[in-house]
Amino acid sequence: GAGVSQSPSNKVTEKGKDVELRCDPISGHTALYWYRQRLGQGLEFLIYFQGNSAPDKSGLPSDRFSAERTGESVSTLTIQRTQQEDSAVYLCASSLWTSPSYEQYFGPGTRLTVT
Amino acid sequence: AQTVTQSQPEMSVQEAETVTLSCTYDTSENNYYLFWYKQPPSRQMILVIRQEAYKQQNATENRFSVNFQKAAKSFSLKISDSQLGDTAMYFCAFMLIRTGANSKLTFGKGITLSVRP
Repeated sequence: GAGVSQSPSNKVTEKGKDVELRCDPISGHTALYWYRQRLGQGLEFLIYFQGNSAPDKSGLPSDRFSAERTGESVSTLTIQRTQQEDSAVYLCASSLWTSPSYEQYFGPGTRLTVT
Repeated sequence: AQTVTQSQPEMSVQEAETVTLSCTYDTSENNYYLFWYKQPPSRQMILVIRQEAYKQQNATENRFSVNFQKAAKSFSLKISDSQLGDTAMYFCAFMLIRTGANSKLTFGKGITLSVRP
């Protein structure tokens, strides 16, 4: 079946502009995560959605970052007034909340470059 | 808070040989999962192997096995009969299992593994 998809694959933007990144999770997956991967680093948790519960935003680095998810479908991560330190790969993952394996399936990521 | 440490930034191994990647973690919790993920140049994170903390038996998946030492908080990955396709970054990750916790993954910085022909 289809995996997690993300768009765009690559995004180059000028400092100060807003960007919107999209994630399409695996159909039926109730949990959705956003992570950030800076060059040469591990992934950092940003935000988590589970069904209709309030999202866990504890990983968002500043109020310039926000995310939305409609039901159990698409999610968008928005970065306002981008800064050069926002340059990274943004990865999305989804999982079956009820799965005992707790496996998170990752998308290919969006590479964001802020010039 | 949980932390994951991978102190080796790079390793190299000859094809068909065995290599061990190290990982240590720190937590005061007792119920958690540990994972190894592989990230090839395509950026796609692929789950390699998973270990439940309550299980004493080390997990194995074909050529991949772990050495889980709960008291020492150590979780190393052994790759046997290394193949060229194993060349990738490998990340160790921790997931807390607790009612109300969001099952986020906490990652180490990763290690770049190169398999030489």
